[in-house]
Amino acid sequence: DVKVTQSSRYLVKRTGEKVFLECVQDMDHENMFWYRQDPGLGLRLIYFSYDVKMKEKGDIPEGYSVSREKKERFSLILESASTNQTSMYLCASRPHPGQAKAGANVLTFGAGSRLTVL
Amino acid sequence: AQKVTQAQTEISVVEKEDVTLDCVYETRDTTYYLFWYKQPPSGELVFLIRRNSFDEQNEISGRYSWNFQKSTSSFNFTITASQVVDSAVYFCALSENTGNQFYFGTGTSLTVIP
Repeated sequence: DVKVTQSSRYLVKRTGEKVFLECVQDMDHENMFWYRQDPGLGLRLIYFSYDVKMKEKGDIPEGYSVSREKKERFSLILESASTNQTSMYLCASRPHPGQAKAGANVLTFGAGSRLTVL
Repeated sequence: AQKVTQAQTEISVVEKEDVTLDCVYETRDTTYYLFWYKQPPSGELVFLIRRNSFDEQNEISGRYSWNFQKSTSSFNFTITASQVVDSAVYFCALSENTGNQFYFGTGTSLTVIP
């Protein structure tokens, strides 16, 4: 069964702490995404990566950075956590859109990481 | 401008009732994809369906059906004979042929009352 695994389901951090959210996929997907989900706002794209070491900013990249050193792993980093970053974070992956793989252009999501910053 | 609009924030129905979730989208691309995802209380978004812009055939899968109408830029989702397990937040999404973005609606929270 294919999977996107997020390392932590629930985290509680203090303001100013550095936070790492890890995401691993076992589907050999080229593209990986980090979204933030807040009530009434839906899913908003923070960053995405279309290949190893490649990244692009999404709609709300401020306060975040990402790392993609290996194809299967995409990390979201909060350099100095703030209370307004309390949210649900969702990782997703998909094959390269040009590939004719089954499920091409379909995002597969992880279970989410709920972060609370105090 | 919002690309995907789900005007219904919350819906409650009694078990066995039919319910339709509305989705209206906006795009200038001629080639695009539309999706529905389900997010149960566990949190993981589960893919339900993908439609491409050239395929306006409606689809039925068990109790689920989807009505895609390009003329009204709508991609509505109907659950027939709803069950308690259908209680979840449902998201409609759009992916354009250009770019890598997926545009999600704000979601519709469906509660099925036993």
